[in-house]
Amino acid sequence: AQTVTQSQPEMSVQEAETVTLSCTYDTSESDYYLFWYKQPPSRQMILVIRQEAYKQQNATENRFSVNFQKAAKSFSLKISDSQLGDAAMYFCAYSSNFGNEKLTFGTGTRLTIIP
Amino acid sequence: DADVTQTPRNRITKTGKRIMLECSQTKGHDRMYWYRQDPGLGLRLIYYSFDVKDINKGEISDGYSVSRQAQAKFSLSLESAIPNQTALYFCATSPGFQTGANVLTFGAGSRLTVL
Repeated sequence: AQTVTQSQPEMSVQEAETVTLSCTYDTSESDYYLFWYKQPPSRQMILVIRQEAYKQQNATENRFSVNFQKAAKSFSLKISDSQLGDAAMYFCAYSSNFGNEKLTFGTGTRLTIIP
Repeated sequence: DADVTQTPRNRITKTGKRIMLECSQTKGHDRMYWYRQDPGLGLRLIYYSFDVKDINKGEISDGYSVSRQAQAKFSLSLESAIPNQTALYFCATSPGFQTGANVLTFGAGSRLTVL
């Protein structure tokens, strides 16, 4: 079974600075997807970014980018120019690409933005 | 209107009561999921359904049942609620083998408290 580990329960960053959230995963599969979801105080789960394992290029969405290291099974999220609205729980998640889209989630990292 | 609607948003009940959480979607997706979120544990899969005739247990299905009444409706039942089922419950959908596959769209969550 796949597992996803987020070793940082809490992180904080100064507004306008850059922060990196860590995620590692364990799988024996070669084709899969990795995700970062954001959960603000409204509790809505919002997709931040998605990475396909067969793509070597790291995914980027505006101020959000990932560092995908397939051999190391590492998938970190970098948030540049942090804004107050980035304060949230961030969840890393894994999904197999073999006809099964169930997501396996990490335990989350709570990000605080310091004004 | 939201793409994935969960009712109720919040519910307080007593031990031993039967509770139903309902989920409806306008995405036209075949695949639907129920997840449970607990502090420090992330989101864990309870049940999932790939079409109206296909229901599968997730990692924590004990004490829960589901019904897929139509493509757009997927309900979660607690036959006899107990306090350790107090949690935030999410319904989600995904499109299956289409562009954007493996991306889940979540409802706003249903907060259940069992006294």
